[in-house]
Amino acid sequence: GNSVTQMEGPVTLSEEAFLTINCTYTATGYPSLFWYVQYPGEGLQLLLKATKADDKGSNKGFEATYRKETTSFHLEKGSVQVSDSAVYFCALSDQETSGSRLTFGEGTQLTVNP
Amino acid sequence: ETGVTQSPTHLIKTRGQQVTLRCSSQSGHNTVSWYQQALGQGPQFIFQYYREEENGRGNFPPRFSGLQFPNYSSELNVNALELDDSALYLCASSPGTNREQYFGPGTRLTVT
Repeated sequence: GNSVTQMEGPVTLSEEAFLTINCTYTATGYPSLFWYVQYPGEGLQLLLKATKADDKGSNKGFEATYRKETTSFHLEKGSVQVSDSAVYFCALSDQETSGSRLTFGEGTQLTVNP
Repeated sequence: ETGVTQSPTHLIKTRGQQVTLRCSSQSGHNTVSWYQQALGQGPQFIFQYYREEENGRGNFPPRFSGLQFPNYSSELNVNALELDDSALYLCASSPGTNREQYFGPGTRLTVT
């Protein structure tokens, strides 16, 4: 079945530091890949997505590249801000095997200190 | 444009009781998916409704059931509540079964 593995957290950084959150996946089809962000007390917001190999998703300074050869979709940001503190979820959607249901990783808590 | 809304925000129930959670989809969206997010975990897919019919189900027992109405709003019903049902229940709507999902703020269910 499909699965998503995220790096163990939590992650604590100082403002303006470089961020990487690792994500690898297992899927039998050709999934679309997503990063969602969850701020305290809120639902999930789509941060970025990529639908095929070598695609790069980007939004609000965050980037992730769909790497089929390493089955990875790592999230990066060059300079984090305090306002980026949240939980980040990597997810996949495999139309061929599971329709549009999303399979999520366990999440990575990011705390950015001033 | 109104986004996805869910009610109630919080709910406390006793083991063995039944609960109904509600979701209003975003305007123009005909597909609703429900997810369960236990504390410290990622969301788990429960089921999806498309045009009032169930369109896929995750690994949840039959006491989790749903409904979608002609206006595409949806309900999640859970019977015989167990302590492990305590979680944040998220609803997501989309303009089709293979389109981007937009999440509501969730309903926090506590079973005591």
